[in-house]
Amino acid sequence: AQSVSQHNHHVILSEAASLELGCNYSYGGTVNLFWYVQYPGQHLQLLLKYFSGDPLVKGIKGFEAEFIKSKFSFNLRKPSVQWSDTAEYFCAVKAAGNKLTFGGGTRVLVKP
Amino acid sequence: DAGVIQSPRHEVTEMGQEVTLRCKPISGHDYLFWYRQTMMRGLELLIYFNNNVPIDDSGMPEDRFSAKMPNASFSTLKIQPSEPRDSAVYFCASSLRAGEETQYFGPGTRLLVL
Repeated sequence: AQSVSQHNHHVILSEAASLELGCNYSYGGTVNLFWYVQYPGQHLQLLLKYFSGDPLVKGIKGFEAEFIKSKFSFNLRKPSVQWSDTAEYFCAVKAAGNKLTFGGGTRVLVKP
Repeated sequence: DAGVIQSPRHEVTEMGQEVTLRCKPISGHDYLFWYRQTMMRGLELLIYFNNNVPIDDSGMPEDRFSAKMPNASFSTLKIQPSEPRDSAVYFCASSLRAGEETQYFGPGTRLLVL
């Protein structure tokens, strides 16, 4: 069965700092990759997704992620965070079938 | 489109009571998913439907949990009897088709079983 690992459970940083969240998955076949964000008290929203093509994917709110197949990784990045980026971020993988497998999430706190 | 609609948004009940959570997927979406989110276990897929038919219920924790989708616009997740360890946020999501499709999540139902 596939699994998804997010290395950091909590990240605290200041506004304007750069953010990178790690995500690794275990599945040898073709995958679809997603990053979802959950703002405090809200539901999950899609940040970006990768299905095929350019491994560098740009999403909403200045986020991007890079798919590195050889490393089974799909790390999320943002060059300069804002206080409003405080949220929990989930990496998710869809392999065969339609089941999304989520990572454990990373709570990001941006200090103003 | 109103997005995925869930009700109630909050539910507080006593152990042993029956709990029914409701979901209305986005119109035209063929897939519906039920997830549970807890601090300990994160986000877990409980069950999903395709065209109202349950496809994979391997994530349903035990027989106390059941889910139905009587039509394309409505699904329920029922817990009977409820236990304190069922306390969690339950999310419903829907997607248009198989393959390269994004799942759209509802606002969730926050369940507390006392």
